[in-house]
Amino acid sequence: GNSVTQMEGPVTLSEEAFLTINCTYTATGYPSLFWYVQYPGEGLQLLLKATKADDKGSNKGFEATYRKETTSFHLEKGSVQVSDSAVYFCALTAARQLTFGSGTQLTVLP
Amino acid sequence: GAGVSQSPSNKVTEKGKDVELRCDPISGHTALYWYRQSLGQGLEFLIYFQGNSAPDKSGLPSDRFSAERTGGSVSTLTIQRTQQEDSAVYLCASSTEGTGELFFGEGSRLTVL
Repeated sequence: GNSVTQMEGPVTLSEEAFLTINCTYTATGYPSLFWYVQYPGEGLQLLLKATKADDKGSNKGFEATYRKETTSFHLEKGSVQVSDSAVYFCALTAARQLTFGSGTQLTVLP
Repeated sequence: GAGVSQSPSNKVTEKGKDVELRCDPISGHTALYWYRQSLGQGLEFLIYFQGNSAPDKSGLPSDRFSAERTGGSVSTLTIQRTQQEDSAVYLCASSTEGTGELFFGEGSRLTVL
C-alpha cells in the first residue's frame, strides 16, 4: 500500500537557520506529492505540491523537489522565521486518497 | 462561509454515548473526506465521498463508525457507543475532483471520558 515516512520531530531552530524536513514515500504508480502545514490553532492548509518527477513545488520561501529515483520529497527553507513554527505534514495522493506522514513539529526561536 | 465548516468544535461525552459530527464543505466541491488526528499521530483516513459514487469506507476503524453525505453537500460522521480510544480531532476536508488539494476545516475535538 501507499505510505509516507517523515523525519521525526520535534525540530527546534534559531531564526534564519536552514531547514530540512525529510520525507520519503512508497506508492504504486505515479503519485502527486504535497506538503501541508498546520499553524497553531488553525486547520491544515496546503503549502506546496508537485505532480510529477523532477517538479519543484515552492511557496512562502519553502521548496521541495519530487525525486522519483530516491522516492523523496524533502522540504527545505533557506532562512526560517518565528512565524514558520507549525506542524508540517508530507502527503501523497493515489487512488483518490491523500495519505499523510505523521507530521513534524517545527519551533523557531527568536 | 468560504471555508470548510465543522461543528461542534469541541465535544466531551461519556463512554457508551453516541456522537454526531457535522461538516459543511466548500460550495461546489464534489469530494469530501473525513480524517482522524490522534495526539502525536498523523492523519488517519476514515472515509471519502465523491459526487454520487459509493463512498470509500475503507478507513473506518469499526462498525461503530458511519458517515453520510446528504444532497452531495453536508456530511455527518456518527460514532456509536463511543470508547475512550475514539478521543481525537476529527477533520473534514473537501476538494474539487482530481486536484489532490484538500481544504480542511478546523476540526472537531472529541473527548470520551
